[in-house]
This record gives sequence, structure tokens and C-alpha cells, in this order.
Amino acid sequence: GIQVEQSPPDLILQEGANSTLRCNFSDSVNNLQWFHQNPWGQLINLFYIPSGTKQNGRLSATTVATERYSLLYISSSQTTDSGVYFCAVGRYNQGGKLIFGQGTELSVKP
Amino acid sequence: DTGVSQDPRHKITKRGQNVTFRCDPISEHNRLYWYRQTLGQGPEFLTYFQNEAQLEKSRLLSNRFSAERPKGSFSTLEIQRTEQGDSAMYLCASSSQQGTGFSGANVLTFGAGSRLTVL
Repeated sequence: GIQVEQSPPDLILQEGANSTLRCNFSDSVNNLQWFHQNPWGQLINLFYIPSGTKQNGRLSATTVATERYSLLYISSSQTTDSGVYFCAVGRYNQGGKLIFGQGTELSVKP
Repeated sequence: DTGVSQDPRHKITKRGQNVTFRCDPISEHNRLYWYRQTLGQGPEFLTYFQNEAQLEKSRLLSNRFSAERPKGSFSTLEIQRTEQGDSAMYLCASSSQQGTGFSGANVLTFGAGSRLTVL
């Protein structure tokens, strides 16, 4: 099956700093989503981005499908950005299920 | 629409007991997924339904686990004869397959999860 690796595993930032999270995947995919899991366990979909670049406020994401990686950028981080960020990938001929990476745990300090 | 609802949010049970979790997806979504997440890990796929048909089951889903979606709306996940290794967060997600065939976006919306502790 497809392997998903995320880096770094942990990240501590001072409020206001910028960061880049990376997701590498081992095979071609046509579904890639980024999620944020808050401290209460709720997974929130941030981006559906199988290719290209999208921006939503302070967050943006870029996927280079041919090179099998995706990046999530967080600018001007806030304490509410803390939590675990997951990259998840899939193929439509596999029913739309997603395979998750291990996540990057982000802690933003005031 | 209030999103994906899961019940109960927390369940503590003794080893050997049966437990059942319920998931109510977003009403217009035709796909429903169950995932399991243990501490420090990403969610792992268990099974999914398209309408009432269960189309795939992971090898993680032992014969003690059964999932149903009888009318293509809500779903239940039952674990029989629970073991301590079943302790985890059980997550439900739903999506609306857009487009024709297997093309189009398939964005998953997750519920808040049901946390199971087996003593």
C-alpha cells in the first residue's frame, strides 16, 4: 500500500513565526487532503489538494504530484494553530479512502 | 446541517463486553467511513460504505468487529468481546462522491469521535 511520511514529527514555534510541514508519499495519488486535529481530537479538513497550490488565510498548501510530495505553510502562527497536522492520500479506484501519515505535532507558544 | 455526529463520545467498558458506536453522517453524503486512531498515531482505515453497501473492509477489522449502514443513512460499529487492545478513538467520516465514476473530489468530513477504554 501507499506509504505516507510526514516531517518534522514535532515542531515548537513562537507565536508569529512561520513554518513548513512536509508530506511525502510513495506512489501516485489523485486525492490528497490536509487535516488539523485540535487538542479535543476533532479532525478539520484544511485543504483538498491533489495538485497545485491553494491558500486560505494564513494557511497555504502546495502539492507536486509528479514528485510525490505536498507542503503545508503556516504563516504568522497563533496559539490556536496548535495541534496535530495530518496529510492523507488516496486513489479514486480505491473507493476514496484515505491513508494517513503519522502527523506533525505543532505547539505554538505565546 | 450539524455535521457528522457520533455517539457516545466516551465509553468505558470491561474486557469481554460488547460495545456499539453510532455515526450519523451529513445527510446528503453517500459515503461513510470508519477509522480507528490510537495515541500518537494517524487514523487507520477500517471500512467504508457507499449508500448501504459495505464496499471494503481492512484487515484490521477482525471478526469481532461488524459495521452496518442499513438504510444508507446512519451507521453502527459493533465490537464484540472487547479486548484491551481495542482501546482507541473510533472516528466516522462521510463524503459526497462528486462527478462520475471514480473521478471528482471526495472530501471527507469527520465526526468528533467515540473514545473507547477497555479495562
